[in-house]
Amino acid sequence: QKEVEQDPGPLSVPEGAIVSLNCTYSNSAFQYFMWYRQYSRKGPELLMYTYSSGNKEDGRFTAQVDKSSKYISLFIRDSQPSDSATYLCAMTEPQGGSEKLVFGKGTKLTVNP
Amino acid sequence: DAMVIQNPRYQVTQFGKPVTLSCSQTLNHNVMYWYQQKSSQAPKLLFHYYDKDFNNEADTPDNFQSRRPNTSFCFLDIRSPGLGDAAMYLCATSRDGGRGIDYGYTFGSGTRLTVV
Repeated sequence: QKEVEQDPGPLSVPEGAIVSLNCTYSNSAFQYFMWYRQYSRKGPELLMYTYSSGNKEDGRFTAQVDKSSKYISLFIRDSQPSDSATYLCAMTEPQGGSEKLVFGKGTKLTVNP
Repeated sequence: DAMVIQNPRYQVTQFGKPVTLSCSQTLNHNVMYWYQQKSSQAPKLLFHYYDKDFNNEADTPDNFQSRRPNTSFCFLDIRSPGLGDAAMYLCATSRDGGRGIDYGYTFGSGTRLTVV
């Protein structure tokens, strides 16, 4: 079993739809939970991060963490064609004095005008 | 703008010919990472520098080496590239491993390596 599982999609939705992206994980040591957006041929850019269970909202984006179920989600409201990208969940694992970022495979999202 | 810059954006190398990828940052972050990302796969951590301390992942092949001559620069050396090393290589930085107000990892745009 991989440490972080993420459905690679692809996911195709019409403009304006609500998008739900999910990851599950197996390692209880994971501390911070992040969502990155990666456009084609670009590096990942951080969208949101959270530490505790619950919801965190930023504009059209909501990140949700359920530590008891080891499940995280990203919701995108009123999706736009510019949201078309690959979305990667990532989690930090303490490693010595530093930490390690572990990624999911990413879900490729296309928002159609 | 402060950022992480990777050069070159695209690199073609011959099978077995050493190649070096570079990363520079103006963020003054003390931690620098190298990730390998193959098509439709998760980025995989190869190694990282916490200040001058080098931390190698257990499953990183010996073929991959890294140098960090100063805070701003970090290099990825592939001694004898094989066809299986073709991938996007991502450099990232963070402050103190990403904790604190400045939380997060900043990624460069990556270098896409092709081995022929």
